[in-house]
Amino acid sequence: NAGVTQTPKFRVLKTGQSMTLLCAQDMNHEYMYWYRQDPGMGLRLIHYSVGEGTTAKGEVPDGYNVSRLKKQNFLLGLESAAPSQTSVYFCASRSQNTDTQYFGPGTRLTVL
Amino acid sequence: KNQVEQSPQSLIILEGKNCTLQCNYTVSPFSNLRWYKQDTGRGPVSLTIMTFSENTKSNGRYTATLDADTKQSSLHITASQLSDSASYICVVSGQQAGTALIFGKGTTLSVSS
Repeated sequence: NAGVTQTPKFRVLKTGQSMTLLCAQDMNHEYMYWYRQDPGMGLRLIHYSVGEGTTAKGEVPDGYNVSRLKKQNFLLGLESAAPSQTSVYFCASRSQNTDTQYFGPGTRLTVL
Repeated sequence: KNQVEQSPQSLIILEGKNCTLQCNYTVSPFSNLRWYKQDTGRGPVSLTIMTFSENTKSNGRYTATLDADTKQSSLHITASQLSDSASYICVVSGQQAGTALIFGKGTTLSVSS
């Protein structure tokens, strides 16, 4: 049971490049989330999903897209990366029966 | 505006000493409050969760208290260990369906020998 995993762990992009961050969970959780964490700020919700095939916007969705084609995976895409998207990205998941979210180890993204 | 404020921003204590971290929130309506521990380079891990009807919750050397009337919570760490060095994040959930978690900025605790 690996819990929540994220790939890649680190990535450096140039402005304008695109990439996809992958989150996978093996706990059969219905809900999945993408957050970003910046210095001096609390975690901020980018997008979330309450089930396979459904996604919704969070607090800071601009510049990001997501997809939940399979229950266990939640993908976060950056179509045209900007330096303002330099951050640490965390994925989390939870069961519909509890409020506790389980977080992945994070992806550190730098956009030059 | 729903907010979660934590204090102090950072704290340094000697190993074996106790400490208390504070969390004030303005989230309303309120559902529950969690404390998470985040080690450097890792994702947050849940320590405690309390609903509005609970005043205190313990998890080993960690004891969280909640005063829903004054909208304040504290996390008390007893007999600190070097492994307690981490960021402690207060997270408040509103009663909106799905996802309404409001994260504090965290308190960075450093335990030195």
